[in-house]
Amino acid sequence: GENVEQHPSTLSVQEGDSAVIKCTYSDSASNYFPWYKQELGKGPQLIIDIRSNVGEKKDQRIAVTLNKTAKHFSLHITETQPEDSAVYFCAATYTGFQKLVFGTGTRLLVSP
Amino acid sequence: NAGVTQTPKFRILKIGQSMTLQCTQDMNHNYMYWYRQDPGMGLKLIYYSVGAGITDKGEVPNGYNVSRSTTEDFPLRLELAAPSQTSVYFCASSYSQGGRDYGYTFGSGTRLTVV
Repeated sequence: GENVEQHPSTLSVQEGDSAVIKCTYSDSASNYFPWYKQELGKGPQLIIDIRSNVGEKKDQRIAVTLNKTAKHFSLHITETQPEDSAVYFCAATYTGFQKLVFGTGTRLLVSP
Repeated sequence: NAGVTQTPKFRILKIGQSMTLQCTQDMNHNYMYWYRQDPGMGLKLIYYSVGAGITDKGEVPNGYNVSRSTTEDFPLRLELAAPSQTSVYFCASSYSQGGRDYGYTFGSGTRLTVV
């Protein structure tokens, strides 16, 4: 079955710096890759997603890139702000599977 | 729309007790899921449902049961609670359209402690 690995487990940056979180998936059939932000005491919130027919997608300060050949996808956050501090999860699934498989999460800390 | 609503938010159970975690969605999503999240870990799928009357096991189903009598509701039942079931439980829903999956939406979670 699908397995998703996520690195790093913790990431500390200064406000204004960029942050990059990387994930690797195992099932070549996977074609949908969402990213979730989880703040303390809350459920995961979808922040951006990408499908396998697209190599990159941007939404203001966040972007996601996908390398299907290497089975890698990454989250890029530019101009980080303290409110970006949270745990970020990547996930993967494929059409017909219906089940998201999650990475183990990255705790991002943005210091003022 | 309220989205995905979970109750209760917190619960302490004694070993051997039973309880039902409630989950309701008002988005008419056909798929619903139960995940558990242990400290420092990702989310593990317990059970899922592709529609009313249809449920299936996920990665960690032992000790749990589910039912899906309506599109809106997907309760998770814990029988004979054990300390290993101490976790945060999340319900989620999604839908498919045109051969694509959309809208994975999570509830705010139920924090369960078994003592």
